[in-house]
Amino acid sequence: DTAVSQTPKYLVTQMGNDKSIKCEQNLGHDTMYWYKQDSKKFLKIMFSYNNKELIINETVPNRFSPKSPDKAHLNLHINSLELGDSAVYFCASSRTGHMNTEAFFGQGTRLTVV
Amino acid sequence: QKEVEQNSGPLSVPEGAIASLNCTYSDRVSQSFFWYRQYSGKSPELIMSIYSNGDKEDGRFTAQLNKASQYVSLLIRDSQPSDSATYLCAAGNAGKSTFGDGTTLTVKP
Repeated sequence: DTAVSQTPKYLVTQMGNDKSIKCEQNLGHDTMYWYKQDSKKFLKIMFSYNNKELIINETVPNRFSPKSPDKAHLNLHINSLELGDSAVYFCASSRTGHMNTEAFFGQGTRLTVV
Repeated sequence: QKEVEQNSGPLSVPEGAIASLNCTYSDRVSQSFFWYRQYSGKSPELIMSIYSNGDKEDGRFTAQLNKASQYVSLLIRDSQPSDSATYLCAAGNAGKSTFGDGTTLTVKP
């Protein structure tokens, strides 16, 4: 039973395309996140949703649009992909959005834009 | 200045030694602190969380927090080759965790 699952695991696409990454958690958590990890392993938060509501929206190009149909799902859609979007994208969830809760990560989606 | 800074690696220790990983944070209102371990090509997994000043021990791992100095550390006793990974320090506040760049640890048999 995978706690936080993302699909696809690998995604290779051409510049200018639009793609989506899906994420689902079966932990009953209220909060879900999208993180981006670049080639230097730096992990940076992009978005956070709490009970389907956007609560954190870091400085991310508006080509990136998250969608949360319910609190167990958080998808990420990327328009007009660019070479610089190549990275590993991690979905994560936590019990609440409060300070003292740790995040559980999905296995990551390695996006390569060519 | 980065919000969360970790001691630059890579760090190499012999098997059985103590590995010491350090982290400082700049946001004084941070209340929760985490250490994640990330194996190459895998996702981060939580190994320790600490919220109050002092030490917290869990098996071979000890986390130390000093809020006055804005400093968090992780000690790994009796290091094993399986501990070889990148360790990420994170500081949490207002529902968000900010991560450091990570320190890569290699434990040599």
